[in-house]
Amino acid sequence: DIVMTQSPDSLAVSLGERATINCKPSQSVFYNSDNKNRLTWYQQKPGQPPKVLIHWASTRESGVPDRFSGSGSGTDFTLTISSLQAEDVAVYYCHQYHTSPYTFGQGTKLEIK
Amino acid sequence: EVQLVESGGGLVQPGGSLRLSCVASGFTFSNYWMHWVRQAPGKGLVWVSHINWDGSSTSYADSVKGRFTISRDNAKNTLFLQMNSLRAEDTAVYYCVRSSHYFDSWGQGNLVTVSS
Repeated sequence: DIVMTQSPDSLAVSLGERATINCKPSQSVFYNSDNKNRLTWYQQKPGQPPKVLIHWASTRESGVPDRFSGSGSGTDFTLTISSLQAEDVAVYYCHQYHTSPYTFGQGTKLEIK
Repeated sequence: EVQLVESGGGLVQPGGSLRLSCVASGFTFSNYWMHWVRQAPGKGLVWVSHINWDGSSTSYADSVKGRFTISRDNAKNTLFLQMNSLRAEDTAVYYCVRSSHYFDSWGQGNLVTVSS
């Protein structure tokens, strides 16, 4: 199984500042046949299902603010929120859809400092 | 608009059974793989099972293999999860999820509680 390790487990950032969350799969999630990384970032708020922010590691989902960006390849990925807003308080998960079982990171809790 | 509406959850005793359903609308159901993902209270997301477009291929997490069965009825736009021999550790919100490669649409979730 591909183990997805996120860091940090929790993060406190001031409003307007940058937040960075890392995700390291235990093996590459790059798909040679289509030259894409099969990695998604989700945001989850209490009592709600996860919301897709980024797929293919760096493609922003329609309607997601451009302060959210994804980068990385292979076994090293990053979600960046360029200027934290109050509504960004949530738990963030990375997820690989390269190989079954389709595993998730343990989550990163983002709070306001 | 894509909608996925789960039902069938509730309280069940250890060793019991439940059948979850997920009714899909707003898209051509038979064109998509479907999944179940669960989340125990206060915990992270765990993939449970998937089924391909016509139901001819399925897979399961090791933790539910042999106890859970995923199926679909494309004529009724419905996904199912038959859960047998339930254990306390199966207590979770169960999400019905559509995938077009990535997991792009999620239901609101349905709580299953296994307790005596």
